[in-house]
Amino acid sequence: EAQVTQNPRYLITVTGKKLTVTCSQNMNHEYMSWYRQDPGLGLRQIYYSMNVEVTDKGDVPEGYKVSRKEKRNFPLILESPSPNQTSLYFCASSAGRPRVGGTSSYNEQFFGPGTRLTVL
Amino acid sequence: RKEVEQDPGPFNVPEGATVAFNCTYSNSASQSFFWYRQDCRKEPKLLMSVYSSGNEDGRFTAQLNRASQYISLLIRDSKLSDSATYLCVVNSYSSASKIIFGSGTRLSIRP
Repeated sequence: EAQVTQNPRYLITVTGKKLTVTCSQNMNHEYMSWYRQDPGLGLRQIYYSMNVEVTDKGDVPEGYKVSRKEKRNFPLILESPSPNQTSLYFCASSAGRPRVGGTSSYNEQFFGPGTRLTVL
Repeated sequence: RKEVEQDPGPFNVPEGATVAFNCTYSNSASQSFFWYRQDCRKEPKLLMSVYSSGNEDGRFTAQLNRASQYISLLIRDSKLSDSATYLCVVNSYSSASKIIFGSGTRLSIRP
């Protein structure tokens, strides 16, 4: 089954304790993203990756790191979490980088089930 | 001003009604447009793409107005199962490949 998986699904942690949220896709997608979703603000892109070893900042990258050592995995790292990073996090993947002329199936993003993070 | 704006709702309409949402975007270089649906506490899922000529998928019709920089979604003969939050998504093809989500419009269909 084609899917995007995230782990953990729920996490409560304390300020300053490093954590990693894993994301994996089995669709051989090139493009992967991390988003956070907060009430009234919608989904905001944190980081994205256009391929292995190619990552770039989205709109809200501060306090986060990512890596893309393999095509299927795109972990999100919080080196020193703070309470303002309490949020619902989604990983997503698509066949390619959004581009003009891309079909909807090419551009469609498949989302993981989400990780609800609470930083105390 | 937000790059992508939606009326947050909630829209509360009776089953069988027709409901329309608009979404405005500020970047005239935006090139691809989508509507996603998100059920409570679930991940967003693609509902439909929005093409320049407008497109229809069953009870759903999406339209794009580049001159006024908005996209719309029309739902006809609404069902209880249409209750969800509808997210407008805009892709800009700059070197940054930005993907911007609207904050969503909440729709509730009542029996």
